[in-house]
Amino acid sequence: SQQGEEDPQALSIQEGENATMNCSYKTSINNLQWYRQNSGRGLVHLILIRSNEREKHSGRLRVTLDTSKKSSSLLITASRAADTASYFCATAPTGTASKLTFGTGTRLQVTL
Amino acid sequence: DAGVIQSPRHEVTEMGQEVTLRCKPISGHNSLFWYRQTMMRGLELLIYFNNNVPIDDSGMPEDRFSAKMPNASFSTLKIQPSEPRDSAVYFCASRLGQNQETQYFGPGTRLLVL
Repeated sequence: SQQGEEDPQALSIQEGENATMNCSYKTSINNLQWYRQNSGRGLVHLILIRSNEREKHSGRLRVTLDTSKKSSSLLITASRAADTASYFCATAPTGTASKLTFGTGTRLQVTL
Repeated sequence: DAGVIQSPRHEVTEMGQEVTLRCKPISGHNSLFWYRQTMMRGLELLIYFNNNVPIDDSGMPEDRFSAKMPNASFSTLKIQPSEPRDSAVYFCASRLGQNQETQYFGPGTRLLVL
């Protein structure tokens, strides 16, 4: 089964609004990463947060990590139509940092 | 840099045929990963290499699947014989080194087995 489960599965918002996606995982981790996948394309790395970090920012992205709840959230502020894509969390379990396990993904639709 | 290159981008074949997918990682990257993506199972790691050596192939579905990395700039994923349930998008990704976490994905090969 998937290590990461994203919630919601699909999200539709208007341009300018904020989008929040959540990820839950099962085992202890070394780090958690978020990737974006545009339709018909490969995945693109967005941001990485380590197990000893609680929050990280990169441009319009904000990621939080709660290791006690085994969950993470990705916030995209002031969304744009170009943000329309699927977003995946990926976890690197402790001791197996090479093996990323991807979640089920959240499909984000940003409309004008 | 051209990024990770995969070929072919699309492949349609008939059940029982051999399929070979190809990947050229980013120059200088020492780790290479093969993933499969389907609607039902999501993105699954099949196998990964460090310095051309297969490290973990526990995700390879069965003996019909094999992967090789004869040198640092080329890898193949072979399915023989192919079956309709192998239909999926196959991604190759590379990483700079074992201590680097970010993976760089290719555009994928969309495989349809009839």
